Amino acid sequence: SYVVTQPPSVSVAPGKTARITCGGNKIGSKSAHWYQQMPGQAPVLVIYYDSDRPSGIPERFSGSNSGNTATLTISRVEAGDEADYYCQVWDTSSDHVVFGGGTKLTVL
Amino acid sequence: EVQLVESGGGLVQPGGSLRLSCAASGFTFRSYWMHWVRQVPGKGLVWVSRINNDGSITSYADSVKGRFTISRANAKSMLYLQMNSLRAEDSAMYYCARDSSSALDIWGQGTMLIVSS
Repeated sequence: SYVVTQPPSVSVAPGKTARITCGGNKIGSKSAHWYQQMPGQAPVLVIYYDSDRPSGIPERFSGSNSGNTATLTISRVEAGDEADYYCQVWDTSSDHVVFGGGTKLTVL
Repeated sequence: EVQLVESGGGLVQPGGSLRLSCAASGFTFRSYWMHWVRQVPGKGLVWVSRINNDGSITSYADSVKGRFTISRANAKSMLYLQMNSLRAEDSAMYYCARDSSSALDIWGQGTMLIVSS
């Protein structure tokens, strides 16, 4: 079955840029989606189709996907961005949705 | 307002059964595929099951296949997850989510299942 891998944690200072990666075999050939989950809350979609932002998501959130890595980029990081972030793809061969293990973003 | 509200969670003994429900509102439910996703507190998101818009096609994670059944009642805007032969490892928060061309764009707040004797 398809596997996507995320770093367990990423730390960044306020105002800097955070990059969270999602690795998978030829993930660039799939659509990657990203979710933000605050403690005690349900996940929220922040990036879909690799790089599109739902309405209400700040422009500071962006995404890319190529080769074996999808990346969520958060520019000008704020304390309120501290959360868990998950990537997700749809593995068409198994018809299964696949989530990465999640990355805890810490704002220093 | 587009909304999903789960219910039906609780404490169940190992080997028992339970049905989770998800009430949808604010959108044309019959037009969307729907999912169940679970999460053990402090752990990551795990996909459980998906159903297409008319209920004719379903898919399950290997860990629940043969024990869980996803279904829907479009006339009532309801999604269900029938869970049988429950195990301790099924204990988790269960979320229903709306599928928008493979992205899960709307999530409920979840309902908690505890499987314990």
